[in-house]
Amino acid sequence: GNSVTQMEGPVTLSEEAFLTINCTYTATGYPSLFWYVQYPGEGLQLLLKATKADDKGSNKGFEATYRKETTSFHLEKGSVQVSDSAVYFCALRTRGSNTGKLIFGQGTTLQVKP
Amino acid sequence: DVKVTQSSRYLVKRTGEKVFLECVQDMDHENMFWYRQDPGLGLRLIYFSYDVKMKEKGDIPEGYSVSREKKERFSLILESASTNQTSMYLCATRFGTSEYNEQFFGPGTRLTVL
Repeated sequence: GNSVTQMEGPVTLSEEAFLTINCTYTATGYPSLFWYVQYPGEGLQLLLKATKADDKGSNKGFEATYRKETTSFHLEKGSVQVSDSAVYFCALRTRGSNTGKLIFGQGTTLQVKP
Repeated sequence: DVKVTQSSRYLVKRTGEKVFLECVQDMDHENMFWYRQDPGLGLRLIYFSYDVKMKEKGDIPEGYSVSREKKERFSLILESASTNQTSMYLCATRFGTSEYNEQFFGPGTRLTVL
């Protein structure tokens, strides 16, 4: 079946540190991949996405590259800020899925300290 | 901007009560989704609807039902609430069937069943 696995949290970093949140997936077919972010007290927002191998999604200084050979979509940011503190979800959507069903990882909490 | 609103941010109910969670969107999206979010499990799909009066079961529909009488409104119903339904419930919407289209999430309803 289809599934997404994220690294365990919480991840605690100092401001301006480098961030990596690991995400690997198992999927039949050729999925599209997403990172969503949930700030405290809010719903999820799409952060970035990639729809084919070697695509790089980027937004707000965050990047993730679709690696088909390692079935991974790791999230990175070169210099985190306190305002990046949130829960980050990796998700996939299989092709031909006209229901739009997303399959989510368990989420990784990021805490950035000044 | 797409706006997805949920009727309550926090709700406390007793075991056996019938509970209604309401979701309203203002962007004429065909597709609407109900997820529940639990620590360590990420988001799991309960039900979705791709048109008025149309509904399909997600991954964990047991104990829930839904209603979509109007395009803008999608209701989640707990016929007889139980303590294991204590969770955060998130509504989402999406336009069309393209896998490139984003899902937009509401702020969530945190339900506690005593």
